[in-house]
Amino acid sequence: QSALTQPASVSGSPGQSITISCTGTSSDIGGYNSVSWYQQHPGKAPKVMIYDVTKRPSGDSNRFAGSKSGNTASLTISGLQPEDEADYYCTSYTSDKKLVFGGGTKLTVL
Amino acid sequence: QVQLVESGGGVVQPGTSLRLSCVVSGFTFRNYGMHWVRQAPGKGLEWVAVFWADGSQEYYADSVKGRFTVSRDIVRNILYLQMNSLRAEDTAVYYCARDMDINSRYSRLDPWGQGTLVTVSS
Repeated sequence: QSALTQPASVSGSPGQSITISCTGTSSDIGGYNSVSWYQQHPGKAPKVMIYDVTKRPSGDSNRFAGSKSGNTASLTISGLQPEDEADYYCTSYTSDKKLVFGGGTKLTVL
Repeated sequence: QVQLVESGGGVVQPGTSLRLSCVVSGFTFRNYGMHWVRQAPGKGLEWVAVFWADGSQEYYADSVKGRFTVSRDIVRNILYLQMNSLRAEDTAVYYCARDMDINSRYSRLDPWGQGTLVTVSS
């Protein structure tokens, strides 16, 4: 199972919006609405930000939004804040009942 | 509150075995699937294995299949990862995580433990 493809890095200024893409295949992203996005700060455990493509855990910031088109999922963060600077990983359920991660994207808030 | 606490990591030689534990509390363990995910130093996250809530299924990443085994003790509320024939490339922080997806599509791993470091080196 190959890893999902994410850009290695993205950046934006405070208040701006950024989008991180995550590309897979019809055997993972394209075949299921089971895409998630995780935020990981240095030295910390990952935290789910988006699940089931578009859903946010209750109480979490609505500045984070997920979407999917075909074999590509996207995470959009609006109104960038300094605390958003972190690594972001997408995941998808796969046709062989496994979980696959993206390679990760480092977000820098300028 | 929900807590997951991993332990059992350490420095081991290639070819040897190690068993990791993940003690859970704050929820009904037998009702949830559980995952192991690892992260090599300076690298990204890699899914390792899942143990389904009903205990009927286990799935493994190709990189560990045949060497690693996931199991649980629902009386003691512990998830295990038995790791055999360890290789240098297994060096990583190992996290356990609860699966919140009732459809067993692994769509929401929440929360995660703090991780335990396994170093495989001669």
